[in-house]
Amino acid sequence: NAGVTQTPKFQVLKTGQSMTLQCAQDMNHEYMSWYRQDPGMGLRLIHYSVGAGITDQGEVPNGYNVSRSTTEDFPLRLLSAAPSQTSVYFCASSPSGPRYGYTFGSGTRLTVV
Amino acid sequence: SQQGEEDPQALSIQEGENATMNCSYKTSINNLQWYRQNSGRGLVHLILIRSNEREKHSGRLRVTLDTSKKSSSLLITASRAADTASYFCATAQYAGNNRKLIWGLGTSLAVNP
Repeated sequence: NAGVTQTPKFQVLKTGQSMTLQCAQDMNHEYMSWYRQDPGMGLRLIHYSVGAGITDQGEVPNGYNVSRSTTEDFPLRLLSAAPSQTSVYFCASSPSGPRYGYTFGSGTRLTVV
Repeated sequence: SQQGEEDPQALSIQEGENATMNCSYKTSINNLQWYRQNSGRGLVHLILIRSNEREKHSGRLRVTLDTSKKSSSLLITASRAADTASYFCATAQYAGNNRKLIWGLGTSLAVNP
């Protein structure tokens, strides 16, 4: 099992550009989520999904879109990148939300210039 | 919004010593989880303890939970240099449609050889 795979590992964007961060899991997990991690701020939830076709907002959803067309994939779209979106992004999955431990991807380090 | 607060923020010990980290939280929870993050990597789930449990062990790790004091502790016995990492607690609430983990800011542990 690969677990949770995130691509790319690193990305530099110019302000105003858009891009998609990819997340895929091969554990048949129902629950998937996106976090951003910033120094001194801890992990903040951006969006999450409790199953294919179902998504919901977390604490900091502005500027980001998600979709969940399959159980395996949960891409995160930055619509118009801003320097405030410079961060490390993590995708995490679990069988059924926080009833279980989460499996994290290795992260995407995004810099917006 | 942060619920868990880890204490201390940073801890430096010698190899072979025990390391204790504490986590306090504010509202009632269903479970509490501990994670480790090595520098530049994704988080790794260590232990989940449910609200009706008081103590749990996994190898050199021991977690306690005191729901009356709204606090938990993580003990790492006979520490090794490889235990150097940041450790996060996360509290879970999953009543109804609310299925989220709320994260603390972490304890940075340095184990010196």
